[in-house]
Amino acid sequence: ETGVTQTPRHLVMGMTNKKSLKCEQHLGHNAMYWYKQSAKKPLELMFVYSLEERVENNSVPSRFSPECPNSSHLFLHLHTLQPEDSALYLCASSQDQWREIYNEQFFGPGTRLTVL
Amino acid sequence: GQQLNQSPQSMFIQEGEDVSMNCTSSSIFNTWLWYKQDPGEGPVLLIALYKAGELTSNGRLTAQFGITRKDSFLNISASIPSDVGIYFCAGQQYSGAGSYQLTFGKGTKLSVIP
Repeated sequence: ETGVTQTPRHLVMGMTNKKSLKCEQHLGHNAMYWYKQSAKKPLELMFVYSLEERVENNSVPSRFSPECPNSSHLFLHLHTLQPEDSALYLCASSQDQWREIYNEQFFGPGTRLTVL
Repeated sequence: GQQLNQSPQSMFIQEGEDVSMNCTSSSIFNTWLWYKQDPGEGPVLLIALYKAGELTSNGRLTAQFGITRKDSFLNISASIPSDVGIYFCAGQQYSGAGSYQLTFGKGTKLSVIP
């Protein structure tokens, strides 16, 4: 595997379910990100992890819970979601986020989430 | 939060034509990035710009970092069917929390008519 991978690619869940999204990066990067992409809206940054520590949490509801066990893996745990949470959830990684240049973010293919 | 105004929102062009799209902001950015997203996939980085006034090419793509650091444009020359997709601009700036973050435009949806 190369680049950034995400599983599952598609997920349908009820509002009372608990599920997890998984992201893995094979680039040797130190920073990982979760974004939400909804129709006709810009990508919204949800969480940022640098060297496995959370450095940003952009006012995301607590029904979304991230976990970063090591610099290669990132999870997004989902619990009691709402239909408006249906979106494409994208994971990205970058070399590190403490430097201004050469810190481009590389994205995974995303998980298409539908909440019924 | 910061906003990027990306235009046009969508465009239909004939194969072989040149394309131009741009992003503007009221804020200054340190880096401008251009991504392309194909259906069902994540965005893929096309071009990165690091200095005001910088003009960079990647094959048929050319992008420029505006001299005021508040805007950028992307040109695609001699479009082909595989250029179809959504193009996003993204500006990078210091977030104030010890990190650099990206702000994305809403995207330009490009359709190419063979």
